Amino acid sequence: GQNIDQPTEMTATEGAIVQINCTYQTSGFNGLFWYQQHAGEAPTFLSYNVLDGLEEKGRFSSFLSRSKGYSYLLLKELQMKDSASYLCAVRYFSWGKFQFGAGTQVVVTP
Amino acid sequence: DGGITQSPKYLFRKEGQNVTLSCEQNLNHDAMYWYRQDPGQGLRLIYYSQIVNDFQKGDIAEGYSVSREKKESFPLTVTSAQKNPTAFYLCASSDPNEKLFFGSGTQLSVL
Repeated sequence: GQNIDQPTEMTATEGAIVQINCTYQTSGFNGLFWYQQHAGEAPTFLSYNVLDGLEEKGRFSSFLSRSKGYSYLLLKELQMKDSASYLCAVRYFSWGKFQFGAGTQVVVTP
Repeated sequence: DGGITQSPKYLFRKEGQNVTLSCEQNLNHDAMYWYRQDPGQGLRLIYYSQIVNDFQKGDIAEGYSVSREKKESFPLTVTSAQKNPTAFYLCASSDPNEKLFFGSGTQLSVL
């Protein structure tokens, strides 16, 4: 299989920065997505990387290194509402094939 | 507003019973998907459909069936052959860039 590895849980205080790492198998790689999912709700799209480098979108940034099979999602100026699970998903060249990590539960404390 | 609607939000299945989860989208997307989400695991693909009247098995299709008679609809049936059906089920569709749009999910439990 094509394992996607990300940490299970991270805790940070309000206003801080948290970096969620994701590693994946590089063979057949065709893009990486980050989604946010609150408990019992639908995942919502955060970012997409297909080329190396940093994509910035407000308080959230995502980085990709294709040669290393590595990505991270950076959450800045953390707010309580950012407490959620963050899913790393890799699209491979086989159509319809997204591999999802198990998600990283971010807990923001006051 | 365009989106994906899943129903019901909660569903209970008795032993030996088939149950059907509804998924409707008004995003005009050709591709639709069903995923299963279990605690501590990534989303796993059950079935997907690239176009009306066509669908393909995903990684864990055993015990499930689907149909795609209309572009807007992609219902999932959990059959009695699925021995461990308790999970959170997510329906999704994708735009031409293959960005996934998810429904709000159905939590299926066994009585």
